[in-house]
Amino acid sequence: DQQVKQNSPSLSVQEGRISILNCDYTNSMFDYFLWYKKYPAEGPTFLISISSIKDKNEDGRFTVFLNKSAKHLSLHIVPSQPGDSAVYFCAASGSSSNTGKLIFGQGTTLQVKP
Amino acid sequence: GAGVSQSPSNKVTEKGKDVELRCDPISGHTALYWYRQSLGQGLEFLIYFQGNSAPDKSGLPSDRFSAERTGGSVSTLTIQRTQQEDSAVYLCASRLAGGRYNEQFFGPGTRLTVL
Repeated sequence: DQQVKQNSPSLSVQEGRISILNCDYTNSMFDYFLWYKKYPAEGPTFLISISSIKDKNEDGRFTVFLNKSAKHLSLHIVPSQPGDSAVYFCAASGSSSNTGKLIFGQGTTLQVKP
Repeated sequence: GAGVSQSPSNKVTEKGKDVELRCDPISGHTALYWYRQSLGQGLEFLIYFQGNSAPDKSGLPSDRFSAERTGGSVSTLTIQRTQQEDSAVYLCASRLAGGRYNEQFFGPGTRLTVL
């Protein structure tokens, strides 16, 4: 049972435009959400996070939006840059676990064209 | 460097053999996680260590998988009698104690191929 889903395996955008990556989840006990970015042959690196008590968190070019009623979150990158080309993973952590273990989506490969 | 390191970076083995994967977490990080990423999939939680507490082994897929963490630092993940479905990238992550929402820092992973 896939509790965190990224339904778009890939996304291609033009440099300077907005990239929107989407993520859906099924478990209402999730209370913290994170986005990780992964380049080939490297481990994922943390990008931005949001607590379930908020609906928006912004950090520079990156903004995460959370819609709890729809169990949906999205990552907006504005403006997109070629260096943003990578695989983006959505992850969630549940209040029922005190370990901080993360449940990941399948990932979306973003390509930003110059 | 100061990041999480893993060895080997690549491991090719024959079905039925045992393999051992190593993780060196960031110094001072008391929490350590193992995940694996199969082809086209997201990262799947395997096991969690926190200090001297009993590990959370709830993600280990079978009793062929085991892990230990010696001295609260280095961790080894052992897969016995490897199967082709064990082929994946195995990732280790560590974080500071004090809050489960602290950022997890990942190593580069070990790519395991079982022939």
